Amino acid sequence: AQSVTQLGSHVSVSEGALVLLRCNYSSSVPPYLFWYVQYPNQGLQLLLKYTTGATLVKGINGFEAEFKKSETSFHLTKPSAHMSDAAEYFCAVSDRYTGRRALTFGSGTRLQVQP
Amino acid sequence: EAQVTQNPRYLITVTGKKLTVTCSQNMNHEYMSWYRQDPGLGLRQIYYSMNVEVTDKGDVPEGYKVSRKEKRNFPLILESPSPNQTSLYFCASGRVGQGGEKLFFGSGTQLSVL
Repeated sequence: AQSVTQLGSHVSVSEGALVLLRCNYSSSVPPYLFWYVQYPNQGLQLLLKYTTGATLVKGINGFEAEFKKSETSFHLTKPSAHMSDAAEYFCAVSDRYTGRRALTFGSGTRLQVQP
Repeated sequence: EAQVTQNPRYLITVTGKKLTVTCSQNMNHEYMSWYRQDPGLGLRQIYYSMNVEVTDKGDVPEGYKVSRKEKRNFPLILESPSPNQTSLYFCASGRVGQGGEKLFFGSGTQLSVL
């Protein structure tokens, strides 16, 4: 069975500082990998995804993530945090080979950005 | 505008009183799914549907029912709600295909069962 671990339920950074949100997964075969963001009182929005090809994936709002198979990781980064980045971030994986399309989510990391 | 619409946004009910949470999408997606979100657990899939009249259980289906009579609608039914079903619920839709495709989420329904 797949699982996703997000290290740190809360991360606080200063505006302009580097954002690093960690995600590790366990899966018998390389899955599809996603980062979703949830702003207060809203549904989830896709930030970026990795399916195949280049392992460094760029998403919206200046975020990017790198798939490292050897480390089973898919950490999310942004060079310079903005106040509007304050939200909850979810890493998720999806099995490549079933039609269930179920996303297995991590428990989420709440990002705070201090002025 | 492409969207997934859930109603109601907030719902407070009592144990045993049947309720339905509606979900509708305007993107002609074949695939729809329900998730519940609980603190520290992330989101967990309840049920999903690959097309009209095709539904199947997710990871936490106990106590829930769904139906898919029309392509755009996928209601979630709680026949006899219990307090452990107090949660934040999300509906999602997407195209059927490989698992790497984007899912669109509704804004959520906060349910409290007293």
